[in-house]
Amino acid sequence: DTAVSQTPKYLVTQMGNDKSIKCEQNLGHDTMYWYKQDSKKFLKIMFSYNNKELIINETVPNRFSPKSPDKAHLNLHINSLELGDSAVYFCASSQLYDRDYSPLHFGNGTRLTVT
Amino acid sequence: DQQVKQNSPSLSVQEGRISILNCDYTNSMFDYFLWYKKYPAEGPTFLISISSIKDKNEDGRFTVFLNKSAKHLSLHIVPSQPGDSAVYFCAARRGAGDKIIFGKGTRLHILP
Repeated sequence: DTAVSQTPKYLVTQMGNDKSIKCEQNLGHDTMYWYKQDSKKFLKIMFSYNNKELIINETVPNRFSPKSPDKAHLNLHINSLELGDSAVYFCASSQLYDRDYSPLHFGNGTRLTVT
Repeated sequence: DQQVKQNSPSLSVQEGRISILNCDYTNSMFDYFLWYKKYPAEGPTFLISISSIKDKNEDGRFTVFLNKSAKHLSLHIVPSQPGDSAVYFCAARRGAGDKIIFGKGTRLHILP
């Protein structure tokens, strides 16, 4: 009955590889997000989708491409992985109510290590 | 550019006492503030929030105070319990529908 689930939990890969992280939410929310927590522990938003449409796209390299096949899923594909991509990636969801959003519900994170 | 600052990386408090976690912000356009709690190997979970039109919001053992003139907010936990040991993130946003900006977090240790 996990509300926001991400897979895999851990991902170790070499520089230059392409990898994907999947996220699914069963809360019925219409908005999903990807956040990155780097080595300095900041949680920074990367992308946000509302009803499958991209609404927030922070200054993230083009190597990162989110895809939302439906409003319950938001996947993150990363091309040509670099050492600096090592971080914990959190998926989150919320619901838009009358132009405002409910608090974020986070998944448990995917720890990506690039060697 | 840190718009939300949590200057104490960690805090230790005796069980049963009050825990006070502090947060400062630089953007006067922030109108809504939140606190999230995070256990190891889990995602952050929402704890409590406050709108900029209020100066206090209470929910059980948790109270958030907002001082807009000082651009400062604090989270009070009383009494502190062992299960409160976690990392606490302060967060803020500029307006309805805007992105949420997080601080670096403060690790709270509740001592027996």
